[in-house]
Amino acid sequence: QVQLVQSGAEVKKTGASVKVSCKASGYILSSYGISWVRQAPGQGLEWMGWIGPYNGYTKYAQNLQGRVTMTADTSTSTAYMELRSLRSDDSAVYYCARAALDVGTFDHWGQGTLVTVSS
Amino acid sequence: SYVVTQPPSVSVAPGQSASITCGGNNIGSERVHWYQQKPGQAPVLVVFDRVGRPSGIPERLSGSKSGNTATLTISRVEAGDEADYYCQVWDGDSDHPVVFGGGTKLTVL
Repeated sequence: QVQLVQSGAEVKKTGASVKVSCKASGYILSSYGISWVRQAPGQGLEWMGWIGPYNGYTKYAQNLQGRVTMTADTSTSTAYMELRSLRSDDSAVYYCARAALDVGTFDHWGQGTLVTVSS
Repeated sequence: SYVVTQPPSVSVAPGQSASITCGGNNIGSERVHWYQQKPGQAPVLVVFDRVGRPSGIPERLSGSKSGNTATLTISRVEAGDEADYYCQVWDGDSDHPVVFGGGTKLTVL
């Protein structure tokens, strides 16, 4: 069955970077996109961007442009999301999700990775 | 960017129907998907666009849209339906192609 397994919780200092991984199984990574969505404590879902299938095309949310990079390693079926220059309001649970980019659905999600940013 | 509005909360008695709305400019022309999220868990896709449901999602959940409103309807509500529900609008041609609503907390009385 389709599974997305994310890396463990992280605690970072303000200004540092974090890189979260998302290992896919049960399907071919390059057949679907991977999207990243975050959720601050007690808040709603915020789309961060995606990396497309085949050619690794990326699209990022405008408010994160310049600070976020999404990559994928098809040899290990693992996607990555790196966020730089961390601020306290980047503290959130970060999810990866399998994305069908023709219709925009996120049909399978990782378990989430808690990133805590403190000074 | 596109703005989507959901009511913060909806309450319903068991066995009744619940309607959760998602408002946006001409949202009836967009692809709208719905997710259920229970406390401490990742979201789950429950309805895609108007009538699609992933396998394992009961037929009691359905979507509709027209004009400026999309609606998730849950028929014969059960205690296990209590969760946060998010609508998501998709516009693949936009600079910001994915927008989530703020979420609606469904409380089963």
